[in-house]
Amino acid sequence: QKEVEQNSGPLSVPEGAIASLNCTYSDRGSQSFFWYRQYSGKSPELIMFIYSNGDKEDGRFTAQLNKASQYVSLLIRDSQPSDSATYLCASGAGSYQLTFGKGTKLSVIP
Amino acid sequence: SAVISQKPSRDICQRGTSLTIQCQVDSQVTMMFWYRQQPGQSLTLIATANQGSEATYESGFVIDKFPISRPNLTFSTLTVSNMSPEDSSIYLCSDLQGDEQFFGPGTRLTVL
Repeated sequence: QKEVEQNSGPLSVPEGAIASLNCTYSDRGSQSFFWYRQYSGKSPELIMFIYSNGDKEDGRFTAQLNKASQYVSLLIRDSQPSDSATYLCASGAGSYQLTFGKGTKLSVIP
Repeated sequence: SAVISQKPSRDICQRGTSLTIQCQVDSQVTMMFWYRQQPGQSLTLIATANQGSEATYESGFVIDKFPISRPNLTFSTLTVSNMSPEDSSIYLCSDLQGDEQFFGPGTRLTVL
């Protein structure tokens, strides 16, 4: 069974710090990895995706993928209170039929 | 990106009844999906809504319980049939635009 594991948190970081969110996946056939942000009572919104080993940067966000270790992470630099949300990691063979983790709740403390 | 809307946004239903959720996209999309997010749980894919043919269901989900229609490239419905309290959840539709999957606002369903 395909599984995506995340630490449920809550993860608390001070404003301006780096938040590090981690995710492991069980399906070695996964090729695509996604990070979604979900505010309370709202639907998930895509932050970024990564397909290749290494780092991918987009503004304050950096996704890191290590397929050998089956590990994906998301770094948020200069964390802001508005970043406080639940972050969902997802994996899939392609861009759909995704398997989601339960999410990590992030709190950025002003 | 295309805007996705869902109706109703929330509903409270009695056990044994059925509810149909509508999903509308403001532009044509090739692929649409239905997910369930139970309290404290991750999003779980129910099915892929195929235009002009039967939906493709994931393991654990069956057509009799979750019939899906997709009459055109902008619209889909999900029916939750013969509901029980275990069906209380948020139901979300999504679409695929390029490599990115976008979600609708969700329908919060409570079954008494």
